[in-house]
Amino acid sequence: EAGVTQSPTHLIKTRGQQATLRCSPISGHTSVYWYQQALGLGLQFLLWYDEGEERNRGNFPPRFSGRQFPNYSSELNVNALELEDSALYLCASSGIQGDEAFFGQGTRLTVV
Amino acid sequence: QKEVEQDPGPLSVPEGAIVSLNCTYSNSAFQYFMWYRQYSRKGPELLMYTYSSGNKEDGRFTAQVDKSSKYISLFIRDSQPSDSATYLCAVISGSRLTFGEGTQLTVNP
Repeated sequence: EAGVTQSPTHLIKTRGQQATLRCSPISGHTSVYWYQQALGLGLQFLLWYDEGEERNRGNFPPRFSGRQFPNYSSELNVNALELEDSALYLCASSGIQGDEAFFGQGTRLTVV
Repeated sequence: QKEVEQDPGPLSVPEGAIVSLNCTYSNSAFQYFMWYRQYSRKGPELLMYTYSSGNKEDGRFTAQVDKSSKYISLFIRDSQPSDSATYLCAVISGSRLTFGEGTQLTVNP
């Protein structure tokens, strides 16, 4: 069974551009979580989607947005990129309430 | 106050030592508890998952939960250099997933 997959693995953008990151959850999982992990720092919660709806949002500006598709895959969009947005962006998925959450390998976004 | 507190370390131990990693949480609604291991520049890997007070063993790893004290621990026996990584605790309430900051562990040969 495939795990959580994220694409692309690496992404280089210039300041002011937009970035789109994608996540495919484990088959059968309906919840998708997005986290930002800057170098040397902990996981900062960005967004949580479940059953196509945004359930919770972390303390990030509105230029961080996303959506979840009917097949439960998800997109994270970051507009007007800033240098400080350079980080590893991690996606996790889980199934029914209280189920384990599994992570993808992340997308490393570099803003130059 | 953070919902989940974890000492970031760094923690450095000799090979073969018993390692104790700890987290405290503030909300008694948290029902499920997990430990993840994250190697540098990789996604976190689920190590242990438990939902009841007490101990759960898996090989060299033991997860311990004390719901009355809101305290969770991960013990690593006979630690190996390959255990060097960042360890993250996580708690779930409903489907809301909250992480600690992570503890950086180095096991020296």
